[in-house]
Amino acid sequence: SAVISQKPSRDICQRGTSLTIQCQVDSQVTMMFWYRQQPGQSLTLIATANQGSEATYESGFVIDKFPISRPNLTFSTLTVSNMSPEDSSIYLCSVEDRRTGGEKLFFGSGTQLSVL
Amino acid sequence: AQSVAQPEDQVNVAEGNPLTVKCTYSVSGNPYLFWYVQYPNRGLQFLLKYITGDNLVKGSYGFEAEFNKSQTSFHLKKPSALVSDSALYFCAVRDITASKLTFGTGTRLQVTL
Repeated sequence: SAVISQKPSRDICQRGTSLTIQCQVDSQVTMMFWYRQQPGQSLTLIATANQGSEATYESGFVIDKFPISRPNLTFSTLTVSNMSPEDSSIYLCSVEDRRTGGEKLFFGSGTQLSVL
Repeated sequence: AQSVAQPEDQVNVAEGNPLTVKCTYSVSGNPYLFWYVQYPNRGLQFLLKYITGDNLVKGSYGFEAEFNKSQTSFHLKKPSALVSDSALYFCAVRDITASKLTFGTGTRLQVTL
């Protein structure tokens, strides 16, 4: 199974600043996803990070607020821009590992973000 | 559109008793169904999946789930609960033609002595 390293594990940020979250996978994967888990709620897909092209964003999420990079098949970053307290959440990187059939997702340990 | 419903916010079970965590789904085609578990301050861990074949699927830590197409359900079960099973459980569905996974709202399982 894919091993995912996500950092930082947590951060406390000031309103108006930006935070970049990194996701490193131990193998090449085609599909990488970024999810948000707000307090007491389920996971919501923010976007699919595509290698070599722009990310595909879900309804309600825009590139200016959540720019994503995917420079290669093992790495991606998600930036939370111009943060407000409403952005306080857990952000999770996820990958689809074709070596295990590709149907299931593997998740990083998440980044707990608190915005003051 | 695909969706998942987990009708119970929390399930309380005594250790040693059987447990069931409910999940119903809606997809336009044939579903891929999953259960994930989240322990405190951890990411999600895969428990089990249904793709095709036997309706009863066995997964990690003694958990199993039964796919019921007529009732569009995929309930998670375990014959004998452990205190260490206490965690947040998420059901998820994906249409076989799509890559997007849709999660339910989660059910907190509390197992007590």
